[in-house]
Amino acid sequence: EAEVAQSPRYKITEKSQAVAFWCDPISGHATLYWYRQILGQGPELLVQFQDESVVDDSQLPKDRFSAERLKGVDSTLKIQPAELGDSAMYLCASSFRREGIQYFGAGTRLSVL
Amino acid sequence: AQKVTQAQTEISVVEKEDVTLDCVYETRDTTYYLFWYKQPPSGELVFLIRRNSFDEQNEISGRYSWNFQKSTSSFNFTITASQVVDSAVYFCALRKGGTSYDKVIFGPGTSLSVIP
Repeated sequence: EAEVAQSPRYKITEKSQAVAFWCDPISGHATLYWYRQILGQGPELLVQFQDESVVDDSQLPKDRFSAERLKGVDSTLKIQPAELGDSAMYLCASSFRREGIQYFGAGTRLSVL
Repeated sequence: AQKVTQAQTEISVVEKEDVTLDCVYETRDTTYYLFWYKQPPSGELVFLIRRNSFDEQNEISGRYSWNFQKSTSSFNFTITASQVVDSAVYFCALRKGGTSYDKVIFGPGTSLSVIP
């Protein structure tokens, strides 16, 4: 069964360091999402791509976060510099089209010390 | 503004009991979608169901059933004869319908523990 791949599963870093997360969506899915999920809360959208273009990055803290999907397939989310408040689960999801059902990866759990 | 409320933060039931997870939503749109996702301890959100606002027919899938009532803006989820494997966090979510863009809004989740 096709799935969304994410790596790493866990990341521990120190404050002010740079971190990067990778996501490979289900093959053929044009829409890719990055969510942040703080413990005890629901996921919140950080950025949405349609192919290689950003559709919504209104909740992305652009002073420290960046995201790219250069060839319209896999994607990287970067944080530089990491802050203590960035500790959370970062989830990637994909859908066949913008209105489609979103399928999620297993996430990257980030701990900033 | 759109909003999803899941008033039950945590629920514990004994195996084989039935359990209902509540979801209340707010939207001004006439066309919208409602979702339920399951998040087991492994972390990934597993899609369970999508329902559009024009389809108020209740749905049953095995031990799972969903009750959609537009009159009360609720989309409740019932697990019949609960099992330990049902232990997870369950999220209700809402998205504007049609082809115009809008993001999915997730509720805060309900953590279900099924005790053997």
